[in-house]
Amino acid sequence: TQLLEQSPQFLSIQEGENLTVYCNSSSVFSSLQWYRQEPGEGPVLLVTVVTGGEVKKLKRLTFQFGDARKDSSLHITAAQPGDTGLYLCAGGLIQGAQKLVFGQGTRLTINP
Amino acid sequence: DTGVSQDPRHKITKRGQNVTFRCDPISEHNRLYWYRQTLGQGPEFLTYFQNEAQLEKSRLLSDRFSAERPKGSFSTLEIQRTEQGDSAMYLCASSLGVAGGETQYFGPGTRLLVL
Repeated sequence: TQLLEQSPQFLSIQEGENLTVYCNSSSVFSSLQWYRQEPGEGPVLLVTVVTGGEVKKLKRLTFQFGDARKDSSLHITAAQPGDTGLYLCAGGLIQGAQKLVFGQGTRLTINP
Repeated sequence: DTGVSQDPRHKITKRGQNVTFRCDPISEHNRLYWYRQTLGQGPEFLTYFQNEAQLEKSRLLSDRFSAERPKGSFSTLEIQRTEQGDSAMYLCASSLGVAGGETQYFGPGTRLLVL
């Protein structure tokens, strides 16, 4: 069973369009991290959110942590081909050693 | 650049052979994690160290797997008698270990192919 469900798993859109990726769970997390991963490389951290309802912006990317700390979203405005990649959400469990539980990822393709 | 480093980046081995991977974390980080990622999936937790102590192991970590962090700095992950199902990307991450909002930084990974 997947503790974190990401949707959609695949998304292909045109340059300039907006998109939202969702990360949902029935579990409560102490923190939620978003990573971007290129083929053959390790995940690169985009953002960490820790407070329920928190919103963080990174240029054209907006990240939100749900009020109950069970879900998160990533919104990209005016997508560009350079945004193409695998986006992973990862939740830090409250109990235990802060090991991360990952979603299965969203593979995003931005077409010029 | 003082990020997390992993060696080797790629390893091809024959079934039944032993392999060892190394991870060098960010220097001031006291927590070190190992994850495994198979094609089309997100990474899965394998084990975790606080300084030199191995504090948690996943059920994914069979008896053929062993990890060490002898001086609380670099870590090694050894797989004995490799099987084709061990083929995956092995990722190492490190963190400062601050409670709440802890951020893990990943290395580039070691891609293992067992023939």
